[in-house]
Amino acid sequence: EAQVTQNPRYLITVTGKKLTVTCSQNMNHEYMSWYRQDPGLGLRQIYYSMNVEVTDKGDVPEGYKVSRKEKRNFPLILESPSPNQTSLYFCASSSGMSSYNEQFFGPGTRLTVL
Amino acid sequence: AQSVSQHNHHVILSEAASLELGCNYSYGGTVNLFWYVQYPGQHLQLLLKYFSGDPLVKGIKGFEAEFIKSKFSFNLRKPSVQWSDTAEYFCAVTPMERGRRALTFGSGTRLQVQP
Repeated sequence: EAQVTQNPRYLITVTGKKLTVTCSQNMNHEYMSWYRQDPGLGLRQIYYSMNVEVTDKGDVPEGYKVSRKEKRNFPLILESPSPNQTSLYFCASSSGMSSYNEQFFGPGTRLTVL
Repeated sequence: AQSVSQHNHHVILSEAASLELGCNYSYGGTVNLFWYVQYPGQHLQLLLKYFSGDPLVKGIKGFEAEFIKSKFSFNLRKPSVQWSDTAEYFCAVTPMERGRRALTFGSGTRLQVQP
């Protein structure tokens, strides 16, 4: 089954404790992206990657890092989480850069930073 | 930069009522338009999309949307809602140009359908 998976689905942590949220897709997609969803703000892009070893900032990149060492994986790293990063995070992938390519979303990771 | 406005934040309807959710975008160029749905506890799923051609597009589960270029609008409609349509609905746009291919989302409309 074609899908985007994220782990963990739920995470509660404390300020300053480094964490990684994994994202993996099995569709051989080149393009992957991370969004955060906050009430009243919709989804905002954090980082994106056009292919292996190619990443760039989205609209709200502060406090986040990403890497793309393999085509299928695109982990989101919070080196020193803060309470304002409490949010619902979605990973997405699509088969290319064209706007015609539908983005497929993962199930989401709900992060709480105390 | 483009932006998307969804004016209805929370809509409550009875089953069999008709639905129309507003979506307006601002962008100087040509855009592709999407509606996504997020059922409680689930990830976003594509309802329908518009790229070009007939401005009235049909999606899954009986939803449709009409693109009115002069009004920069892409409203979502369904003639008769069901309890199972209870979800949050997001309008999104992406410019038809090479670039970072980000979807710009509206803030969402929470639809509650009462049986």
